[in-house]
Amino acid sequence: EVQLVESGGGLVQPGGSLRLSCAASGFTFSSYEMNWVRQAPGKGLEWVSYISSSGRTIYYADSVKGRFTISRDNAKNSLYLQMNSLRAEDTAVYYCARDKGAAGYWGQGALVTVSS
Amino acid sequence: EIVLTQSPGTLSLSPGERATLSCRASQSVSSSYLAWYQQKPGQAPRLLIYGASSRATGIPDRFSGSGSGTDFTLTISRLEPEDFAVYYCQQYGSSLTFGPGTKVDIK
Repeated sequence: EVQLVESGGGLVQPGGSLRLSCAASGFTFSSYEMNWVRQAPGKGLEWVSYISSSGRTIYYADSVKGRFTISRDNAKNSLYLQMNSLRAEDTAVYYCARDKGAAGYWGQGALVTVSS
Repeated sequence: EIVLTQSPGTLSLSPGERATLSCRASQSVSSSYLAWYQQKPGQAPRLLIYGASSRATGIPDRFSGSGSGTDFTLTISRLEPEDFAVYYCQQYGSSLTFGPGTKVDIK
């Protein structure tokens, strides 16, 4: 069974940093592209970042470019999102999702709250 | 960046009725790389349709997708009680973007 489990969310002050992790199981992680998608409270879905299966190709939404870094460790079946210079508008549930588009598998989400 | 617009914002219907949801792209979506998702409160999105018209695994045949280029449609032929939710379109032909969503609620 495919499972994606996010961790690392929490409350952080504006300007602070947080690192999200996504532990994958039930499939050959190294063969799949991955994404981070977020959803602010009561709002729609916003794509955040993409990483290819090898990690060599990476894309970011303009809203996070220069502040967030996506990475993966295929040996540990894990996906990461390093978030720096956090702003109030980054407050959201962050989901990891498998595949570039048409993501059939999502984690349960990790809540990140940026507030003083 | 391809911008997706969904209409209507809210659709109020009764169980058994037909629902027609629209997704329009600001430029042509290459190779019909258009997906539809359903999301219920407190849950992650669920993939319904990919490639504009292919149903994902386990999705009932009352859900169908159509369209190409810049205009796409999700149709739910007969609404079941569990279908009342928010629906998002997503294009993945050029980077990735989501539409703002259509809420289907009970009339």
